Amino acid sequence: GNSVTQMEGPVTLSEEAFLTINCTYTATGYPSLFWYVQYPGEGLQLLLKATKADDKGSNKGFEATYRKETTSFHLEKGSVQVSDSAVYFCALRVISSGSARQLTFGSGTQLTVLP
Amino acid sequence: DADVTQTPRNRITKTGKRIMLECSQTKGHDRMYWYRQDPGLGLRLIYYSFDVKDINKGEISDGYSVSRQAQAKFSLSLESAIPNQTALYFCATSASNRETQYFGPGTRLLVL
Repeated sequence: GNSVTQMEGPVTLSEEAFLTINCTYTATGYPSLFWYVQYPGEGLQLLLKATKADDKGSNKGFEATYRKETTSFHLEKGSVQVSDSAVYFCALRVISSGSARQLTFGSGTQLTVLP
Repeated sequence: DADVTQTPRNRITKTGKRIMLECSQTKGHDRMYWYRQDPGLGLRLIYYSFDVKDINKGEISDGYSVSRQAQAKFSLSLESAIPNQTALYFCATSASNRETQYFGPGTRLLVL
């Protein structure tokens, strides 16, 4: 089956620190990969995505590269801000016969950035 | 105004009660989803709907039912609530030719 494993949180960083949140996956087919972010009290929002190997998704200073050889999609940001404090979810989707574009989510990683 | 709305935002109920959570969207998407979020487990899919006449079970449908009243409305029901259904529930939508799902703000449910 399909599954996503994220590094456990919570992660606490100082402002301007470098961020890495690890994500690895197993998939029965060839997945698209996503990072969603959930700010306090809100629903999930798509942060970035990549649909094929070696693609790099980027948004708001965050980046993640689709690594097929290591089945990974690690999220990085060079300098975090207090406003980046949120829960980050890695997710995948595999298109198969009858697929409803279902997403398989990781367990989420809570990030807190201190001023 | 929000594109995906959920009502109520918070609900406390007792074991055995029937409750309904509602989701409405103005995005014109044909696909809608219900997820539950539990600490340490991420989001798990309960039910999904391709269109008004199509309803499908997700990963954890036991104890839940849904109704797609219109393209824009998708309701989740707990026929007889139990305490382990205490969770945060999210509705989401997507267009049939797009990968991105758009989430509502969530409904926090407590079953006593």
